[in-house]
Amino acid sequence: NAGVTQTPKFRILKIGQSMTLQCTQDMNHNYMYWYRQDPGMGLKLIYYSVGAGITDKGEVPNGYNVSRSTTEDFPLRLELAAPSQTSVYFCASSYSMKPGQGLYEQYFGPGTRLTVT
Amino acid sequence: QKEVEQNSGPLSVPEGAIASLNCTYSDRGSQSFFWYRQYSGKSPELIMFIYSNGDKEDGRFTAQLNKASQYVSLLIRDSQPSDSATYLCAANSGGGADGLTFGKGTHLIIQP
Repeated sequence: NAGVTQTPKFRILKIGQSMTLQCTQDMNHNYMYWYRQDPGMGLKLIYYSVGAGITDKGEVPNGYNVSRSTTEDFPLRLELAAPSQTSVYFCASSYSMKPGQGLYEQYFGPGTRLTVT
Repeated sequence: QKEVEQNSGPLSVPEGAIASLNCTYSDRGSQSFFWYRQYSGKSPELIMFIYSNGDKEDGRFTAQLNKASQYVSLLIRDSQPSDSATYLCAANSGGGADGLTFGKGTHLIIQP
């Protein structure tokens, strides 16, 4: 099992450019997430998905879009990149460890370090 | 606004001592709580989770939850230099699969 994989590892974008961050998991998890982590900060939820074809906004969705056409893939699209989107982006997937208890162990990918200049 | 608060540190602890990390949360609807360890430049990895009041032990780690005080803690016994990392506290509100709310993390330094 590769777990959660993300590409690219690093990327530099110019202001106004667009790009897609790729995320794939091979654990057959229904739930997938995108977080961003700014220096010295915790992770903030951008978007999440509870299954193929279903996505919803998290805490900081502005400037991003997602799609979930398969269980395995959950790409994050940045349109019109801005310096405020400079961050490390983590994709995660999870499963329910104990139904009804809100226990979803999240497995994180290695991250994509994005700089917008 | 759901918030999870942690002291950012750094928290410096001698090798072999007990490291105590604390976290408070604002949403009384939070059902489960997670401690993640994150080494510099790496992704978070799950250390412990807890959802019932009281203590939960796993090896050198003990998680403590007090829902009345909205307080979660992580104790690391016999601290090792390899425990030096940032520890993130996270809460899952409402019991759904709609992601975690993370604190900013506490930077722990174990002094040899």
